[in-house]
Amino acid sequence: GAGVSQSPSNKVTEKGKDVELRCDPISGHTALYWYRQSLGQGLEFLIYFQGNSAPDKSGLPSDRFSAERTGGSVSTLTIQRTQQEDSAVYLCASSLVPGLTEAFFGQGTRLTVV
Amino acid sequence: GDSVTQMEGPVTLSEEAFLTINCTYTATGYPSLFWYVQYPGEGLQLLLKATKADDKGSNKGFEATYRKETTSFHLEKGSVQVSDSAVYFCALSGESNYQLIWGAGTKLIIKP
Repeated sequence: GAGVSQSPSNKVTEKGKDVELRCDPISGHTALYWYRQSLGQGLEFLIYFQGNSAPDKSGLPSDRFSAERTGGSVSTLTIQRTQQEDSAVYLCASSLVPGLTEAFFGQGTRLTVV
Repeated sequence: GDSVTQMEGPVTLSEEAFLTINCTYTATGYPSLFWYVQYPGEGLQLLLKATKADDKGSNKGFEATYRKETTSFHLEKGSVQVSDSAVYFCALSGESNYQLIWGAGTKLIIKP
């Protein structure tokens, strides 16, 4: 596609359920990033992929959070046993070369845990 | 640790007004500074950047000057348009080139 696509755009889930968030990066972009934006706060780094490997997953807030990337393309962020504090907008970005200033962002997935 | 503070929004202006969105930072070393913009229904995109003190970044009529003495990177535009309505984020470079440190964002509303 022309840009970074994220799905779903909105997700409401019950506390304790697992959720999967999907990111389709721009074709050919080897670097992919996940961020989280909580209400009234700046973006919080979660994880960075180069190809299918994640050289930096230091931002994942707990072991309930995991992410994978397959075929150097689509990435899935999984949150297990969701908690209310997981409610946020989850943003994905991709770039041809590593570096956020060269990256294109998706519109995000708004996750609400009730 | 390093941090970025932006003026709280929303900021509401009339078309053709002068815009300033304040951004100050705390950092060790010499970070690069950035402004990102998110238009309604679109993804975040880089608006402008400055990599060293006294540099001025500019794009689409917006400007920001890297002021080391006041640790500021205020965003300005001389005459805003309705199409400038968006959320603006100030950020500085972190430990890596993908770990920017972000402000909370300022929503700008321009009325015709």
